[in-house]
Amino acid sequence: AQSVTQLGSHVSVSEGALVLLRCNYSSSVPPYLFWYVQYPNQGLQLLLKYTSAATLVKGINGFEAEFKKSETSFHLTKPSAHMSDAAEYFCAVSRNSGGYQKVTFGTGTKLQVIP
Amino acid sequence: DSGVTQTPKHLITATGQRVTLRCSPRSGDLSVYWYQQSLDQGLQFLIQYYNGEERAKGNILERFSAQQFPDLHSELNLSSLELGDSALYFCASSQGGLSSSPLHFGNGTRLTVT
Repeated sequence: AQSVTQLGSHVSVSEGALVLLRCNYSSSVPPYLFWYVQYPNQGLQLLLKYTSAATLVKGINGFEAEFKKSETSFHLTKPSAHMSDAAEYFCAVSRNSGGYQKVTFGTGTKLQVIP
Repeated sequence: DSGVTQTPKHLITATGQRVTLRCSPRSGDLSVYWYQQSLDQGLQFLIQYYNGEERAKGNILERFSAQQFPDLHSELNLSSLELGDSALYFCASSQGGLSSSPLHFGNGTRLTVT
């Protein structure tokens, strides 16, 4: 079984402040982890993915995430928030199940950036 | 551009009606996923197909059905529509066999039931 927990359905930060969006996972096998972003009236887009090559993963738009096995976490960070970062962010875990890919999404975190 | 095409973009219909949503996956992807997104329920997984076969079911109502055709496109059929079925319906595709493959999402079909 696998699951994803995103702490905080809404997060507000000031423009220029650090962005920290939390994601904890549970998985019976080593997982692959993803962060997606959804802008209004659009589909989800891949921000970054962890596939065990490196624990610190860099993505698009200045975002990065660190895989911490001991904490079962994959938090998303960005040093300085920009107005254009306002969106909903989803963490996801993926694993092989019976020969096919099984993906589980978190409930999402809406990021508000205050000018 | 994700390479995933969903049609139509918008659909307005009345309660009790039936509609079909269509999805063309990204070239080379074998897996297709359907999701429903609404303000009160968030992103809900409906169903997954891999190379024409149903692989996983989520919170899909009995009034809803789907299939993936030999050319790998997929259709989601929604019948006996209710007001509560109004939502964004997303299709996503992935290579399917590899757990490291990301999902590629279409821009969705916005369904409004009146």
